[in-house]
Amino acid sequence: QSALTQPPSASGSPGQSVTISCTGTSSDVGGYNYVSWYQQHPGKAPRLMIYEVSKRPSGVPDRFSGSKSGNTASLTVSGLQAEDEADYSCSSYAGSNNLVFGGGTKLTVL
Amino acid sequence: EVQLLESGGGLAQPGGSLRLSCAASGFTFTSYAMSWVRQAPGKGLEWVSAISSSGGFTYYAGSVKGRFTISRDNSKNTLYLQMNSLRAEDTALYYCAKDDHGDPRGVFDYWGQGTLVPVSS
Repeated sequence: QSALTQPPSASGSPGQSVTISCTGTSSDVGGYNYVSWYQQHPGKAPRLMIYEVSKRPSGVPDRFSGSKSGNTASLTVSGLQAEDEADYSCSSYAGSNNLVFGGGTKLTVL
Repeated sequence: EVQLLESGGGLAQPGGSLRLSCAASGFTFTSYAMSWVRQAPGKGLEWVSAISSSGGFTYYAGSVKGRFTISRDNSKNTLYLQMNSLRAEDTALYYCAKDDHGDPRGVFDYWGQGTLVPVSS
């Protein structure tokens, strides 16, 4: 199973919005509404930010939102803050009890 | 407070074996599926294996199928990963992750801090 495709980097200034894409195929992202997004600060464990494409777990700021169109899912961070600087990874159910992750995107707050 | 504490990592030789453990606390362990997810140095996350809440169903990534075995002891609130025939490409930080459902859905709401497994001669 191939990894999902994410841009290696993204950036934005404080207060701005940034969107990170996650591209798969009809066998994973496009075929199921089981896309999740994780935030990972250096040396730390991942943190669940979005699940089932657009749902936010308790405690995640509403500045974080998710969406999907066809085979591409997106994570949007609005009102960027310094603490949002981290790596963001997407994942998707890929059928046959398989899960696939993206390669990760390093978000820089300028 | 949910806690997942991995152990058992360490230097392994190619072709060797290692058994990882993950001690869980702060939630009803028997109600949730669990997974192992790894991250090679400087690389992205890779799902390795999952097990249902009862332990009756197990799932593996193609890269480890036939070499790794996931199991759980619900009486001890502990998750395991038996790794055999280790290869250099298995070198990674191995995370234990709690799923948000009894059946594996790949929605990991809690993660451990990871245990490092370098494979080298």
